[in-house]
Amino acid sequence: KQEVTQIPAALSVPEGENLVLNCSFTDSAIYNLQWFRQDPGKGLTSLLLIQSSQREQTSGRLNASLDKSSGRSTLYIAASQPGDSATYLCAVPYSGAGSYQLTFGKGTKLSVIP
Amino acid sequence: DGGITQSPKYLFRKEGQNVTLSCEQNLNHDAMYWYRQDPGQGLRLIYYSQIVNDFQKGDIAEGYSVSREKKESFPLTVTSAQKNPTAFYLCASGTGAYEQYFGPGTRLTVT
Repeated sequence: KQEVTQIPAALSVPEGENLVLNCSFTDSAIYNLQWFRQDPGKGLTSLLLIQSSQREQTSGRLNASLDKSSGRSTLYIAASQPGDSATYLCAVPYSGAGSYQLTFGKGTKLSVIP
Repeated sequence: DGGITQSPKYLFRKEGQNVTLSCEQNLNHDAMYWYRQDPGQGLRLIYYSQIVNDFQKGDIAEGYSVSREKKESFPLTVTSAQKNPTAFYLCASGTGAYEQYFGPGTRLTVT
């Protein structure tokens, strides 16, 4: 069974700092990995999707990397802003395929202090 | 404007009543999903559907029911059999490439 872990559960940084969020998964035979952002009381917003054949994916100040062999992904946020404050979740396809299910981590709650 | 809509945003019900949460998508996705989110628990899959007129139980299906009569719609009924129905409910739709898109959620409170 696929398990996804995100450490730390919470992170507080001053505005302008570069930061890295971590995601690890137990089954490296993944099809892709998706990073989401969730604001309080809102749904999930898809940020980046990395295919298993890719090592990196970039969108603006966000850069996600994937190392399947070690079962890790990182989300790098450059020059953090207070508006980046949210919970960030990663998700990978459920082992045992065919059902398109995702397994989610519990998220890292990011606070960017002005 | 493509996307997923959920209604209502907030829902209040008395214990013992069934309640139905709406989810509609115009992304032309085949697959649709219902998740429940509780503080500190992460997202847990309730039901999913890969095609019209077919759906499968997820990890916590007890006390819930769904239907999939149209590609665009996947309503979730929270029945009186659900022991702890108060939660934030999220609907998602997806492509065949394990990519999912989420609606804004419905917060259900049962007293």
